[in-house]
Amino acid sequence: QITLKESGPTLVKPTQTLTLTCIVSGFSLRTNGVGVGWIRQPPGKALEWLALIYWDDDKRYSPSLSSRLTVTKDTSRNEVVLTMTNMAPVDTGTYYCAHRLRTGVEGTAFDYWGQGTLVTVAS
Amino acid sequence: QSVLTQPPSVSGAPGQRVAISCAGSSSNIGADYDVNWYQHLPRTAPKLLIYGNKNRPSGVPDRFSGSKSGTSASLAITGLQAEDEAYYYCQSFDSSLSGSVVFGGGTKLTVL
Repeated sequence: QITLKESGPTLVKPTQTLTLTCIVSGFSLRTNGVGVGWIRQPPGKALEWLALIYWDDDKRYSPSLSSRLTVTKDTSRNEVVLTMTNMAPVDTGTYYCAHRLRTGVEGTAFDYWGQGTLVTVAS
Repeated sequence: QSVLTQPPSVSGAPGQRVAISCAGSSSNIGADYDVNWYQHLPRTAPKLLIYGNKNRPSGVPDRFSGSKSGTSASLAITGLQAEDEAYYYCQSFDSSLSGSVVFGGGTKLTVL
């Protein structure tokens, strides 16, 4: 049974760095084809993909946010960590981590999601 | 502005059929990357509804179906039910953006 759970601060101040942790279970971060993605949703807005880390440590980032994002994994601890620098009020939203389902040759879907964690950016 | 374009809203009466479109381009849907669909209810995590253009995960009713043609994809829902009222998002992969995952802007389905 695959589960994911996000944790991190609920409130961060502008200009601070956000660090979110995703603890996974039911699969190994070492398994060929596995990946964990991060997706967020600002209040009243659409889902926005942020980052994806693959089993081989390949990493992909949203082009519009790549300068502020870093994603890492610790396979021994079954966790994936996302850091986002220089937080601003527009970064307020619910942040999800999700398990990657490989579709086709290079495609990605997210078949299991964490419950999400609400992050508010305010002074 | 989302890379994948969806109508902001659609509606239908119970029992009817509705379709939600997802328009892309030659660097994503048109490049033969798969399209996936999610259902998102308020205060819950998104749920994968269709993957690989037309496949349903276990537990998803066959009232939901997906298709893809050229640079567009579509999600069809038949036998509309009140519980289908939700936001629906398409998602694919785009080769022009350093190999990025892309989502549509979302469509609010209202069951009249």
